[in-house]
Amino acid sequence: GAGVSQSPRYKVAKRGQDVALRCDPISGHVSLFWYQQALGQGPEFLTYFQNEAQLDKSGLPSDRFFAERPEGSVSTLKIQRTQQEDSAVYLCASSLGGQGIGYTFGSGTRLTVV
Amino acid sequence: GQQVMQIPQYQHVQEGEDFTTYCNSSTTLSNIQWYKQRPGGHPVFLIQLVKSGEVKKQKRLTFQFGEAKKNSSLHITATQTTDVGTYFCARVNRDDKIIFGKGTRLHILP
Repeated sequence: GAGVSQSPRYKVAKRGQDVALRCDPISGHVSLFWYQQALGQGPEFLTYFQNEAQLDKSGLPSDRFFAERPEGSVSTLKIQRTQQEDSAVYLCASSLGGQGIGYTFGSGTRLTVV
Repeated sequence: GQQVMQIPQYQHVQEGEDFTTYCNSSTTLSNIQWYKQRPGGHPVFLIQLVKSGEVKKQKRLTFQFGEAKKNSSLHITATQTTDVGTYFCARVNRDDKIIFGKGTRLHILP
């Protein structure tokens, strides 16, 4: 597609519920990143894929967070047993790869845990 | 750590005034990127600086990279209401991971 597509745009989850957030990167983009952005803060790195390989997951806050990109295209970020502190905007970004190429961000998924 | 520090955190300017945000690092940067995020929107890539002392311009926006490659600035001349948003600098690690600063939120007073 023309841009990075994320779904759903908004998600309200009850505490303890599992959620799955989807990211459709730009076709052909090798690198895919997930970021978490709390209100009024900068995006915080969660995890990074190069094709289907998850090269870095050091930013995932806990083992309740899991990300996959099985075919090197679409990626899913899953959060198990959601907590209120998980409420944030989850941004996906993709790039062609290679240092210093600007990332294209999706519109994000705003997750609210109640 | 690897965080880049941005100042100020907030800036209010009258429409037509100039605006500058600064980005500082304790370590030498291989490059620096700048993004703009409108209220309710997502970060949009503006520019990348690579060379020591580099200056790049985009219309009313001027980006500079310090000689020591430890700081950068974004200057907006004669701000307009469309400039409202948060401006982030970000460092790019060797593994392609981008680390964002906390941003400078620009408010324009009419």
